[in-house]
Amino acid sequence: GAGVSQSPRYKVAKRGQDVALRCDPISGHVSLFWYQQALGQGPEFLTYFQNEAQLDKSGLPSDRFFAERPEGSVSTLKIQRTQQEDSAVYLCASARVGNQPQHFGDGTRLSIL
Amino acid sequence: SQELEQSPQSLIVQEGKNLTINCTSSKTLYGLYWYKQKYGEGLIFLMMLQKGGEEKSHEKITAKLDEKKQQSSLHITASQPSHAGIYLCGADSGAGSYQLTFGKGTKLSVIP
Repeated sequence: GAGVSQSPRYKVAKRGQDVALRCDPISGHVSLFWYQQALGQGPEFLTYFQNEAQLDKSGLPSDRFFAERPEGSVSTLKIQRTQQEDSAVYLCASARVGNQPQHFGDGTRLSIL
Repeated sequence: SQELEQSPQSLIVQEGKNLTINCTSSKTLYGLYWYKQKYGEGLIFLMMLQKGGEEKSHEKITAKLDEKKQQSSLHITASQPSHAGIYLCGADSGAGSYQLTFGKGTKLSVIP
């Protein structure tokens, strides 16, 4: 497709379950970013990939959060043993190269019960 | 860490009126990005500013980055209902990882 695609759009999980969120970036985009957006706030950075290399994971809130991009295209954000405070919208963005504009997907709205 | 403050937090204008949204950074801006977000959707890229004094326009929206590179403004001329949404400014800290730090957003409502 022409834009960044994220799936699922909505995910409801029970506390303690593991979840996996998928991001399909724009074809040919080298850079990929994950952000977390709480209600009424701006997105907050989680992690950054250049091709398959995870160059910055300083924003991941705990070791329960794990991201990968094994072939330099599709990326998965995994959250283990989910907690209620993980409830948020998770946004993926891609860019042609690092300092070019980031283009965002519609996000995955995660609700932890 | 860099912080961005947006003002106003919310704005209600009548269709046809002009408006300005401001974004002030606690540190020098190396790249400033404006995005628009509608509820339940992702961010739509509007404009990128990188040089002090730079000004860009797209349709009825103009963005400026001041000379000292710590503040940006977004101006909408003759607002329309289609302009309604949340406007977010995002800044590149220049640290090399290209992550963006965002303000909390300005919610714009346009009354027909």
